[in-house]
Amino acid sequence: QQKVQQSPESLTVSEGAMASLNCTFSDGTSNNFRWYRQHSAKGLEVLVSIFSDGEKEEGRFTAHLNRANLHVSLHIREPQPSDSAVYLCAVSIHAQGLTFGLGTRVSVFP
Amino acid sequence: NAGVIQTPRHKVTGKGQEATLWCEPISGHSAVFWYRQTIVQGLEFLTYFRNQAPIDDSGMPKERFSAQMPNQSHSTLKIQSTQPQDSAVYLCASSLVRGLAEQFFGPGTRLTVL
Repeated sequence: QQKVQQSPESLTVSEGAMASLNCTFSDGTSNNFRWYRQHSAKGLEVLVSIFSDGEKEEGRFTAHLNRANLHVSLHIREPQPSDSAVYLCAVSIHAQGLTFGLGTRVSVFP
Repeated sequence: NAGVIQTPRHKVTGKGQEATLWCEPISGHSAVFWYRQTIVQGLEFLTYFRNQAPIDDSGMPKERFSAQMPNQSHSTLKIQSTQPQDSAVYLCASSLVRGLAEQFFGPGTRLTVL
Protein backbone atom coordinates (compact mmCIF):
# COMPACT_ATOMS: atom_id res chain seq x y z
CA GLN A 1 0.00 0.00 0.00
CA GLN A 2 1.32 3.42 -0.99
CA LYS A 3 2.78 5.56 1.80
CA VAL A 4 3.24 9.29 1.28
CA GLN A 5 5.13 11.37 3.83
CA GLN A 6 5.64 15.12 3.81
CA SER A 7 8.19 17.28 5.57
CA PRO A 8 8.40 19.56 7.34
CA GLU A 9 5.07 19.49 9.18
CA SER A 10 5.11 23.26 9.33
CA LEU A 11 7.18 26.00 7.75
CA THR A 12 7.42 29.70 8.46
CA VAL A 13 8.97 31.92 5.83
CA SER A 14 9.35 35.61 5.23
CA GLU A 15 7.63 37.20 2.30
CA GLY A 16 9.92 36.97 -0.70
CA ALA A 17 12.08 34.09 0.58
CA MET A 18 12.01 30.71 -1.16
CA ALA A 19 9.88 28.01 0.49
CA SER A 20 10.78 24.35 -0.06
CA LEU A 21 8.53 21.40 0.74
CA ASN A 22 9.38 17.71 0.52
CA CYS A 23 7.38 14.57 -0.20
CA THR A 24 8.50 10.94 -0.28
CA PHE A 25 6.46 8.03 -1.60
CA SER A 26 6.87 4.29 -1.32
CA ASP A 27 5.68 2.81 -4.63
CA GLY A 28 8.27 3.28 -7.36
CA THR A 29 5.72 2.51 -10.09
CA SER A 30 3.83 5.72 -9.26
CA ASN A 31 3.53 8.04 -12.23
CA ASN A 32 1.03 10.70 -11.20
CA PHE A 33 2.20 13.43 -8.79
CA ARG A 34 0.27 16.54 -7.77
CA TRP A 35 0.71 19.35 -5.33
CA TYR A 36 -2.49 20.85 -3.90
CA ARG A 37 -3.09 23.82 -1.65
CA GLN A 38 -5.87 24.01 0.92
CA HIS A 39 -6.79 27.26 2.63
CA SER A 40 -8.69 26.95 5.90
CA ALA A 41 -12.22 25.67 5.36
CA LYS A 42 -11.82 25.87 1.60
CA GLY A 43 -11.48 23.38 -1.19
CA LEU A 44 -8.39 21.90 -2.77
CA GLU A 45 -6.57 23.90 -5.43
CA VAL A 46 -4.14 22.07 -7.69
CA LEU A 47 -0.83 23.90 -8.06
CA VAL A 48 1.44 21.67 -10.13
CA SER A 49 1.10 18.26 -11.78
CA ILE A 50 4.20 16.30 -12.77
CA PHE A 51 4.45 12.90 -14.42
CA SER A 52 8.10 12.36 -15.34
CA ASP A 53 11.46 13.01 -13.73
CA GLY A 54 12.69 16.56 -13.81
CA GLU A 55 11.14 19.92 -13.19
CA LYS A 56 7.73 21.46 -13.87
CA GLU A 57 6.98 25.13 -13.32
CA GLU A 58 3.56 26.74 -12.93
CA GLY A 59 3.94 30.43 -12.17
CA ARG A 60 5.74 30.80 -8.81
CA PHE A 61 5.41 27.07 -8.06
CA THR A 62 8.01 24.53 -9.24
CA ALA A 63 7.89 20.79 -8.68
CA HIS A 64 10.92 18.51 -8.90
CA LEU A 65 10.47 14.76 -9.31
CA ASN A 66 13.11 12.08 -8.79
CA ARG A 67 11.40 8.71 -9.02
CA ALA A 68 14.60 6.75 -8.34
CA ASN A 69 14.84 8.50 -4.97
CA LEU A 70 11.08 8.27 -4.42
CA HIS A 71 11.02 12.01 -3.89
CA VAL A 72 9.05 14.97 -5.16
CA SER A 73 9.46 18.53 -3.94
CA LEU A 74 7.66 21.84 -4.29
CA HIS A 75 9.39 25.22 -4.30
CA ILE A 76 7.47 28.45 -3.88
CA ARG A 77 9.24 31.46 -5.29
CA GLU A 78 8.62 34.86 -3.67
CA PRO A 79 5.91 33.61 -1.30
CA GLN A 80 3.24 36.07 -0.23
CA PRO A 81 1.02 36.14 2.88
CA SER A 82 -1.85 34.90 0.70
CA ASP A 83 0.17 31.70 0.12
CA SER A 84 -0.29 30.78 3.78
CA ALA A 85 -2.13 27.44 3.66
CA VAL A 86 -1.68 23.69 3.98
CA TYR A 87 0.17 22.14 1.05
CA LEU A 88 -0.65 18.56 0.16
CA CYS A 89 1.35 16.09 -1.90
CA ALA A 90 -0.71 13.48 -3.77
CA VAL A 91 0.52 10.38 -5.59
CA SER A 92 -1.10 7.65 -7.64
CA ILE A 93 -0.42 4.97 -10.20
CA HIS A 94 -2.12 6.00 -13.42
CA ALA A 95 -5.54 7.58 -12.97
CA GLN A 96 -6.46 5.79 -9.76
CA GLY A 97 -7.44 7.27 -6.42
CA LEU A 98 -4.80 9.59 -5.00
CA THR A 99 -2.82 8.88 -1.83
CA PHE A 100 -2.16 12.08 0.10
CA GLY A 101 0.46 13.08 2.61
CA LEU A 102 -0.61 14.76 5.85
CA GLY A 103 0.49 18.13 4.55
CA THR A 104 2.87 20.97 5.35
CA ARG A 105 1.38 24.07 6.97
CA VAL A 106 3.07 27.12 5.45
CA SER A 107 2.92 30.52 7.11
CA VAL A 108 4.23 33.55 5.22
CA PHE A 109 4.94 36.71 7.20
CA PRO A 110 5.46 40.18 5.72
CA ASN B 1 -18.91 25.76 -15.14
CA ALA B 2 -20.11 25.38 -11.56
CA GLY B 3 -17.41 22.88 -10.64
CA VAL B 4 -18.12 19.78 -8.56
CA ILE B 5 -21.23 20.29 -6.46
CA GLN B 6 -21.65 18.59 -3.11
CA THR B 7 -24.77 18.67 -0.97
CA PRO B 8 -25.39 19.23 1.81
CA ARG B 9 -22.40 21.32 2.85
CA HIS B 10 -22.98 20.46 6.50
CA LYS B 11 -24.85 17.56 8.05
CA VAL B 12 -25.40 16.71 11.67
CA THR B 13 -26.72 13.28 12.59
CA GLY B 14 -27.33 11.40 15.79
CA LYS B 15 -25.45 8.22 16.51
CA GLY B 16 -27.12 5.33 14.70
CA GLN B 17 -28.84 7.44 12.05
CA GLU B 18 -28.23 7.20 8.31
CA ALA B 19 -26.45 9.88 6.29
CA THR B 20 -26.56 10.27 2.51
CA LEU B 21 -24.10 12.60 0.81
CA TRP B 22 -24.55 13.79 -2.78
CA CYS B 23 -22.06 14.67 -5.46
CA GLU B 24 -22.66 16.17 -8.89
CA PRO B 25 -19.54 15.89 -11.07
CA ILE B 26 -18.47 18.44 -13.63
CA SER B 27 -20.44 17.96 -16.83
CA GLY B 28 -18.54 15.65 -19.18
CA HIS B 29 -16.43 14.08 -16.45
CA SER B 30 -16.90 10.32 -16.34
CA ALA B 31 -14.72 9.52 -13.33
CA VAL B 32 -15.91 10.26 -9.80
CA PHE B 33 -13.83 9.83 -6.65
CA TRP B 34 -14.79 9.96 -2.96
CA TYR B 35 -12.33 10.91 -0.21
CA ARG B 36 -12.58 11.50 3.53
CA GLN B 37 -10.57 14.10 5.44
CA THR B 38 -9.91 14.12 9.19
CA ILE B 39 -7.35 15.90 11.32
CA VAL B 40 -5.73 12.62 12.41
CA GLN B 41 -5.78 10.58 9.19
CA GLY B 42 -5.60 13.40 6.67
CA LEU B 43 -7.15 12.90 3.24
CA GLU B 44 -7.97 9.26 2.49
CA PHE B 45 -9.23 7.71 -0.73
CA LEU B 46 -12.50 5.80 -0.36
CA THR B 47 -13.78 4.70 -3.76
CA TYR B 48 -14.09 5.62 -7.41
CA PHE B 49 -16.34 5.12 -10.42
CA ARG B 50 -15.55 5.27 -14.10
CA ASN B 51 -18.44 5.58 -16.56
CA GLN B 52 -20.76 4.83 -13.62
CA ALA B 53 -19.10 1.47 -12.91
CA PRO B 54 -17.37 0.92 -9.55
CA ILE B 55 -13.65 0.46 -10.22
CA ASP B 56 -11.89 0.56 -6.86
CA ASP B 57 -13.45 0.57 -3.40
CA SER B 58 -10.29 -0.42 -1.55
CA GLY B 59 -10.57 2.54 0.82
CA MET B 60 -14.16 2.00 1.86
CA PRO B 61 -14.81 0.71 5.36
CA LYS B 62 -16.15 -2.82 5.07
CA GLU B 63 -19.32 -2.12 7.00
CA ARG B 64 -21.94 0.63 6.93
CA PHE B 65 -20.46 2.53 3.95
CA SER B 66 -21.74 2.24 0.40
CA ALA B 67 -21.51 4.33 -2.76
CA GLN B 68 -23.50 4.39 -5.96
CA MET B 69 -23.46 6.22 -9.24
CA PRO B 70 -26.89 5.64 -10.80
CA ASN B 71 -26.34 8.07 -13.67
CA GLN B 72 -23.69 10.35 -15.14
CA SER B 73 -24.88 13.37 -13.23
CA HIS B 74 -24.61 12.26 -9.64
CA SER B 75 -23.07 9.90 -7.13
CA THR B 76 -24.07 9.20 -3.53
CA LEU B 77 -22.17 8.04 -0.47
CA LYS B 78 -24.37 6.44 2.17
CA ILE B 79 -23.34 5.77 5.74
CA GLN B 80 -25.66 3.56 7.74
CA SER B 81 -25.81 3.62 11.54
CA THR B 82 -23.42 6.57 11.77
CA GLN B 83 -20.87 6.59 14.57
CA PRO B 84 -18.93 9.53 16.07
CA GLN B 85 -15.75 8.30 14.36
CA ASP B 86 -17.45 8.85 10.99
CA SER B 87 -17.30 12.61 11.64
CA ALA B 88 -15.17 14.05 8.86
CA VAL B 89 -15.24 16.16 5.72
CA TYR B 90 -16.23 14.01 2.76
CA LEU B 91 -14.82 15.22 -0.53
CA CYS B 92 -15.92 14.30 -4.01
CA ALA B 93 -13.74 14.81 -7.08
CA SER B 94 -14.33 14.27 -10.79
CA SER B 95 -12.11 13.98 -13.81
CA LEU B 96 -12.12 13.16 -17.47
CA VAL B 97 -11.40 9.56 -18.34
CA ARG B 98 -8.28 10.34 -20.31
CA GLY B 99 -4.68 9.57 -19.39
CA LEU B 100 -3.57 11.23 -16.18
CA ALA B 101 -6.45 13.67 -16.07
CA GLU B 102 -6.60 16.11 -13.18
CA GLN B 103 -9.11 15.53 -10.42
CA PHE B 104 -11.22 18.56 -9.57
CA PHE B 105 -12.47 18.61 -5.99
CA GLY B 106 -15.77 19.81 -4.62
CA PRO B 107 -16.05 21.90 -1.44
CA GLY B 108 -16.87 18.86 0.68
CA THR B 109 -19.63 17.86 3.09
CA ARG B 110 -18.81 18.25 6.77
CA LEU B 111 -20.49 15.37 8.63
CA THR B 112 -20.83 15.63 12.39
CA VAL B 113 -22.14 12.62 14.30
CA LEU B 114 -23.27 13.46 17.81
